[in-house]
Amino acid sequence: GAVVSQHPSWVICKSGTSVKIECRSLDFQATTMFWYRQFPKQSLMLMATSNEGSKATYEQGVEKDKFLINHASLTLSTLTVTSAHPEDSSFYICSVLTGLENTEAFFGQGTRLTVV
Amino acid sequence: SQELEQSPQSLIVQEGKNLTINCTSSKTLYGLYWYKQKYGEGLIFLMMLQKGGEEKSHEKITAKLDEKKQQSSLHITASQPSHAGIYLCGAHPGYSSASKIIFGSGTRLSIRP
Repeated sequence: GAVVSQHPSWVICKSGTSVKIECRSLDFQATTMFWYRQFPKQSLMLMATSNEGSKATYEQGVEKDKFLINHASLTLSTLTVTSAHPEDSSFYICSVLTGLENTEAFFGQGTRLTVV
Repeated sequence: SQELEQSPQSLIVQEGKNLTINCTSSKTLYGLYWYKQKYGEGLIFLMMLQKGGEEKSHEKITAKLDEKKQQSSLHITASQPSHAGIYLCGAHPGYSSASKIIFGSGTRLSIRP
């Protein structure tokens, strides 16, 4: 299956700073990537759909100015958490769809963000 | 919008016993995924079902999608400690398969030795 790599695996940052998380598809080109957030003991919640060469599509309730998504190439999407606060501490994970009918979904290993 | 409900929310099973996890949708499912997750780690793809009545098996795990494509079950036979984790069902919220996946609330499975 497709290989999706996220970096970093974990990050600790101070309140008010910004953090960038990278999601790379290593063995194929992804025009669309998805960003999810997972709080402890909860399921994955879709934050936004990252579209190569165009603006991301955000889910209701997700602040686009706080969670900046850039999909500048077919193999890289980045999520920047701006002015991070402790409540942004979470597990962030990206996903890509592949296969002939885009029915195969693969996920990165996730990034644990802790804001202190 | 489509919602996926999983049951039970958590499950503790004696090693060697069988178990079933259910995933129910409010709308017809166009592609139903089952994933396993160790908390704080990425998702491991288990199976994907598309057709009504479809059933797939891998090792001791069997997943089924009902004829109406609104309910799926994941069955584990002779459970082992390695089966412990969080099981998530996911589906495309719409007819288009080339779209985002939404997830159920998850089922936390613990295996008691």
